Amino acid sequence: QKEVEQNSGPLSVPEGAIASLNCTYSDRGSQSFFWYRQYSGKSPELIMFIYSNGDKEDGRFTAQLNKASQYVSLLIRDSQPSDSATYLCAVKGAGNMLTFGGGTRLMVKP
Amino acid sequence: DTEVTQTPKHLVMGMTNKKSLKCEQHMGHRAMYWYKQKAKKPPELMFVYSYEKLSINESVPSRFSPECPNSSLLNLHLHALQPEDSALYLCASSQDLYGSYGNTIYFGEGSWLTVV
Repeated sequence: QKEVEQNSGPLSVPEGAIASLNCTYSDRGSQSFFWYRQYSGKSPELIMFIYSNGDKEDGRFTAQLNKASQYVSLLIRDSQPSDSATYLCAVKGAGNMLTFGGGTRLMVKP
Repeated sequence: DTEVTQTPKHLVMGMTNKKSLKCEQHMGHRAMYWYKQKAKKPPELMFVYSYEKLSINESVPSRFSPECPNSSLLNLHLHALQPEDSALYLCASSQDLYGSYGNTIYFGEGSWLTVV
């Protein structure tokens, strides 16, 4: 069974700090990896995706992928209170199906 | 703003009622999905349509009945639901089911369902 694991948190960081969110996955055949942000009571919103080993940067967000270690992470630089949300890691294999992790709740304190 | 539109945003229904959730996208996507999400849990896949045909049914009870009238519309018909079916129902779409690299799945805003 394909599994995606995240620490449920809450992860608490001060405003302006770097938040580091981690995700591990079990299926070595996984092809692409997604980070969604979900505010309380709202639907998941895509932040970014990555499918090659290494780093991918988009504004304050950096996704990191290490397929050998089956590990993907999301770094949020200069964290803001508005970044407080649950972050869902999702892993995709064949057939365009997503397997979600349980999500990490991030709290950014002013 | 999401380009996947869901209606209604909130629905309260009794256990004997029949209601429908509706979803529409105009991105030309040929794959559409229904997910169910309970509080503090990740979304769970229910159904997948590919080119208007049901591709995946994740052993969902028959009281949930999906329908894809055309490439832009996806419905979820609800009948004889139970209180434990109360959840956020998410519609999503993607270009298709092939070539997973960058074939992103986009979610609608969801429909909050309460069964009383």
